Amino acid sequence: DADVTQTPRNRITKTGKRIMLECSQTKGHDRMYWYRQDPGLGLRLIYYSFDVKDINKGEISDGYSVSRQAQAKFSLSLESAIPNQTALYFCATSDGGRGAYEQYFGPGTRLTVT
Amino acid sequence: RKEVEQDPGPFNVPEGATVAFNCTYSNSASQSFFWYRQDCRKEPKLLMSVYSSGNEDGRFTAQLNRASQYISLLIRDSKLSDSATYLCVVASGYSTLTFGKGTMLLVSP
Repeated sequence: DADVTQTPRNRITKTGKRIMLECSQTKGHDRMYWYRQDPGLGLRLIYYSFDVKDINKGEISDGYSVSRQAQAKFSLSLESAIPNQTALYFCATSDGGRGAYEQYFGPGTRLTVT
Repeated sequence: RKEVEQDPGPFNVPEGATVAFNCTYSNSASQSFFWYRQDCRKEPKLLMSVYSSGNEDGRFTAQLNRASQYISLLIRDSKLSDSATYLCVVASGYSTLTFGKGTMLLVSP
């Protein structure tokens, strides 16, 4: 079984809808991250969490919110989806300290907002 | 200026060729450097770390020049399976990573 799982893997939604992307991990890592990837723009950090009580904004947090429900679960919400949030979304996990440099990514969620 | 810049490619090379990727970074306080690999429509995975003294892992060699804020990755004897996008990654402290946009490599028979 995969160490980092994301659900759903693909989602098509309409403008204005609320949508949640979920991430679970069995690696026992404290740190979790949400990224989006767009063609020509690379991976950009949306939010990250170093433990259950810690949430931090990344480079592009506007229009997104997150919830760290447990050490193993980190969800990303789009409160009112808009077309320019169409992208490939990755969840990642890592250890702390120097272990933070090796991030383990989930398979990604392809989101399309029409 | 972007924090981490890479030539987007694609680099088209035949099997057996040697290919080099370059990367520059803007934050002189950056402390750690890495190359990640991303196959088409897949998640990124750590390929190797980059040290000031240079490091080698089989056919792959990574170099760092702190004075020029420049990182390189050399792949010798390219294989078809090396076809992927190579992401240059920079860290400042033990917090978050900054990814370059990636350089695409296509190895042909």
